[in-house]
Amino acid sequence: KQEVTQIPAALSVPEGENLVLNCSFTDSAIYNLQWFRQDPGKGLTSLLLIQSSQREQTSGRLNASLDKSSGRSTLYIAASQPGDSATYLCAVHQAAGNKLTFGGGTRVLVKP
Amino acid sequence: DGGITQSPKYLFRKEGQNVTLSCEQNLNHDAMYWYRQDPGQGLRLIYYSQIVNDFQKGDIAEGYSVSREKKESFPLTVTSAQKNPTAFYLCASSSIRTVNTEAFFGQGTRLTVV
Repeated sequence: KQEVTQIPAALSVPEGENLVLNCSFTDSAIYNLQWFRQDPGKGLTSLLLIQSSQREQTSGRLNASLDKSSGRSTLYIAASQPGDSATYLCAVHQAAGNKLTFGGGTRVLVKP
Repeated sequence: DGGITQSPKYLFRKEGQNVTLSCEQNLNHDAMYWYRQDPGQGLRLIYYSQIVNDFQKGDIAEGYSVSREKKESFPLTVTSAQKNPTAFYLCASSSIRTVNTEAFFGQGTRLTVV
């Protein structure tokens, strides 16, 4: 059974510092990995999708890496801003059963 | 406007009642999913469907039921057998079996037992 873990569960940084969020998964037979942002009481907004054959994906201040063989992905957010405060979730799209399995999320607070 | 629409946004259920949450998508996606989220936690899969008239149980299917009569629609019924239904429910859709498949989510339904 696929298990997805996100460490740390919560993170607080001063504005301007770079953020590093970690995601690990146990079964490397995946189609892709997706990072989401969730604001309190809201649905999920897709940030980045990394295909299983890719090592990295970038969008603006966001950069996500994928090491499928070791079951790890990292989301980097450069020069954090108070507006980046949210919960960040990673999810793997499994080849078996076509299921989308989520980690527990990392709650981020960027202090002005 | 393409996307996924969940309704209602807030729902209140009395003890012993069944309630149905709506999820509609116009993205022409084959796969649809229902997740439950409890405060401060990640998403847990309730049911998912890859094709019309077929669906599979997720990790926490007990007390829930679904149907997939149309490609665009995947309603979730929370039955009286679900002992702790108060939670935030999220619906998602995606294409299937491609490395580009990106999941999209609705805005969620918050269900409260009164």
